[in-house]
Amino acid sequence: DTGVSQDPRHKITKRGQNVTFRCDPISEHNRLYWYRQTLGQGPEFLTYFQNEAQLEKSRLLSDRFSAERPKGSFSTLEIQRTEQGDSAMYLCASGGDRDVPYEQYFGPGTRLTVT
Amino acid sequence: KNEVEQSPQNLTAQEGEFITINCSYSVGISALHWLQQHPGGGIVSLFMLSSGKKKHGRLIATINIQEKHSSLHITASHPRDSAVYICAVGGGDDKIIFGKGTRLHILP
Repeated sequence: DTGVSQDPRHKITKRGQNVTFRCDPISEHNRLYWYRQTLGQGPEFLTYFQNEAQLEKSRLLSDRFSAERPKGSFSTLEIQRTEQGDSAMYLCASGGDRDVPYEQYFGPGTRLTVT
Repeated sequence: KNEVEQSPQNLTAQEGEFITINCSYSVGISALHWLQQHPGGGIVSLFMLSSGKKKHGRLIATINIQEKHSSLHITASHPRDSAVYICAVGGGDDKIIFGKGTRLHILP
C-alpha cells in the first residue's frame, strides 16, 4: 500500500498526558499537512510542511502542540498536557506529485479521546 | 459566513434515488475536492476538479467557476453510499478549507 498512513489509528489518554502521532506520506511527496476534525465539524487546517520546513501554523495550534518533519519524510504531531477539548480526529495529507500539483491525499486519521 | 457552504446538511433517501449535494464557496480556488468520510473517520478523496465535470462509476462531480458552485451527484444510490460527503477548496500550496459536510443516509 503506497498511500498515506497514520499511527496509531485510535488513542485514548488521560487528561494531562502527552501523546504523539505519526504520519507517513506518499513517498516523494514534498508537502505534508495536518488537520483536526472535531465532532460534527469539517476538518480544520493545523499546519503544513514543505519538505522539512514548517511553513504555516494555524492559530488553532497552541503552544501545547508541536509538529516536526525532521528529514522531510514522515511527520510527528505531539500534544503536551492533553485537555478534553483536544479530543478529535487528526488527519494527515500529503501532496506534491509533479503531475498533479493541486491534489492532497488523505490518511485514515488518528482518533484521539482524552478522558 | 463560512467560506465553504454545503447543502443539505443531512439527507435521507431511498435506495435507487438520484442524489445531489451542493457546495458554494466564496474564495478564489485552484481546485475543489469532494471527499467521502465513513463512520470510522477515514477520508477518501473522490474527486479533485478545477473545471467542468468528472465521473467515476455512479458518482459525478461538476463545478462552475464563475458561479463558485459545485455539485456532487450519485446515481442509483445504494445503502453503502451512506457517509459524510465533504466539499473542500484550495489546493497547491494553499491549505484546504473544508465544508462541514453533508450526512447522507440511504435506506434499503
